[in-house]
Order: sequence, then structure tokens, then C-alpha cells
Amino acid sequence: GAGVSQSPSNKVTEKGKDVELRCDPISGHTALYWYRQSLGQGLEFLIYFQGNSAPDKSGLPSDRFSAERTGGSVSTLTIQRTQQEDSAVYLCASSLGRAYQNSPLHFGSGTRLTVT
Amino acid sequence: GIQVEQSPPDLILQEGANSTLRCNFSDSVNNLQWFHQNPWGQLINLFYIPSGTKQNGRLSATTVATERYSLLYISSSQTTDSGVYFCAVATGSSYKLIFGSGTRLLVRP
Repeated sequence: GAGVSQSPSNKVTEKGKDVELRCDPISGHTALYWYRQSLGQGLEFLIYFQGNSAPDKSGLPSDRFSAERTGGSVSTLTIQRTQQEDSAVYLCASSLGRAYQNSPLHFGSGTRLTVT
Repeated sequence: GIQVEQSPPDLILQEGANSTLRCNFSDSVNNLQWFHQNPWGQLINLFYIPSGTKQNGRLSATTVATERYSLLYISSSQTTDSGVYFCAVATGSSYKLIFGSGTRLLVRP
């Protein structure tokens, strides 16, 4: 597609339920990032995928969070047993290559998650 | 890890004014990008600028890597420039882009 696509755009869930957030990166982009942005705050790194390499999961806040990327394209971020503090906007971004190459990062519109 | 500090945290301008936003970082970087987050939350990449100077219309950016800072210049500001401006960096040993806390800009008509 023309840009990074995320779905759903909004998700309201009850505490304790599992949720899945989807990201479809720009075609041909090998690098994919997930960030989290709480209300009025900056962006918190969650996870990074680069091609077929093992992902960098160092930013995942707990073992309730996991992500996968199938076929080097679409990625799914899963949050199990959601808590109220998980409420935030989850942003996906993609770029052509590793961060140390000349490859600007392009963001999707995000998924706003509200845990009630 | 690398620290990223942006200043000022908030800025109010009258339409037509110029401004300079600053990003300081604590370690050498090989990736530095500036982003604008509009009032609807969309993040737009403005510059990829680990060193040197670039210009795009009314916006320009300069990174002095040896001094560990970058500047974003906005000239003849417009109300559509309002939003939050983020600087993000990555070091040579990491590919994670770490974001600063942003500068919130309001341009009044």
C-alpha cells in the first residue's frame, strides 16, 4: 500500500481480555517497529523487526506483550490479560532497512487502545 | 542508554514568526530524524539528518554530530505547523530509534 496501515483504529476492551493489533508496513520495507504513546507523552519503543533476523524485544514492558511478523511483512502485536495501564496509542512504523542506513521511518495512524 | 533532550518543551508563536527547536543527545549517533505529530496524532517524518544541513521549504535542520545536538528551524510559521515536534536518535551499536519528549508548538493566527 501507499503507507503503513494499522487496524483497528480504535479498540475498547475489558480488563483481563486479550487483544491483537495489526500492522501492514509499506511494501518493500524490511524494518518494522512498534511504539507506544500514552496520553500527552513521548514514544516508548516496544519491539523491532529487521528482515528475517531475530526481533529486538527489549522494549516490551512485560511477558503479557508479544509480537510476530509473518513472511517479513504483516505484524501482529498481542497483549494478553490487558490491564488499565495498557491504555495508549500503539504506533507501528516501517523503513527500508536497518536504522543506521539512510532510511526514514514512516508511521501508521495508530491503534487507540482503551482498557475499561 | 542514550539520552535525548528537547527544548523548549512548549512554544507559542504568532503566525509569521520564526523559531528554533533544539535536540541534545548524550552519545554519538548515526541516525537522527525529526518528526511532526499533528493535532490528530499522525506522525510525519520531516528530516533524516545524522549530520549536516537540509532544507525543505520553510523548514530546515542542522545536526552538529561532534557537538551532539541538532536544530530544527521553522520560518514564517503557519497555524498548520502546530503540533509536537520529536527528535529521535540511534547510536552506532543499536538500531532502536529513541525519541525525545518533544516540543509542543502552538502557532496562533
